[in-house]
Amino acid sequence: QVQLVQSGAEVKKPGASVKVSCKASGYTFTGYYMHWVRQAPGQGLEWMGWINPNSGGTNYAQKFQGRVTMTRDTSISTAYMELSRLRSDDTAVYYCARGARITIFGTPLGWFDPWGQGTLVTVSS
Amino acid sequence: ETTLTQSPAFMSATPGDKVNISCKASQDIDDDMNWYQQKPGEAAIFIIQEATTLVPGIPPRFSGSGYGTDFTLTINNIESEDAAYYFCLQHDNFPLTFGQGTKLEIK
Repeated sequence: QVQLVQSGAEVKKPGASVKVSCKASGYTFTGYYMHWVRQAPGQGLEWMGWINPNSGGTNYAQKFQGRVTMTRDTSISTAYMELSRLRSDDTAVYYCARGARITIFGTPLGWFDPWGQGTLVTVSS
Repeated sequence: ETTLTQSPAFMSATPGDKVNISCKASQDIDDDMNWYQQKPGEAAIFIIQEATTLVPGIPPRFSGSGYGTDFTLTINNIESEDAAYYFCLQHDNFPLTFGQGTKLEIK
């Protein structure tokens, strides 16, 4: 079945970086956009950006530009999200989610299905 | 940016009840609205796509309605397993945005 499995919880100090992985299975990894979303404690969900696993192209939410980098390794069907210069308010559960199918004239806009199980990142001194 | 205002934030229901969860968009998003269910520690489950279409495998007691700016997720004949966090997602424009979520408790 189509599945996304994320890496385990992380604890980081302010100013450090964190890299979360998302391993895809059950479908053609390069055929669908991959999105990253986060949810801070007691807050709603926040979209961070997407990566096109086929081309490596990315689009980041304005809030995270300059601090987030999304990459992929097609040989192991894995997407990565790295967030740098961490602050305490980056403490959140981070999710990957498969987006729209990649087509020549298509758009990255689309629903998410499935989602990863989430990775808790705690930023604390 | 499209703001999604979801209500209520919390609700309590009894098995057999019917519940409605609302999501209002700050601008017209056609039918580009989706609904998800999430239980603690688990991946979110896709339940309604494009406002009204039930995702395959989801029980028919779930339904969605609406178009433009006003959308509703309805759960008929609620069961105890429906206790979860529900949220909406719009995919009409970037940045993609979410409702603040609804925690549904079953008494």
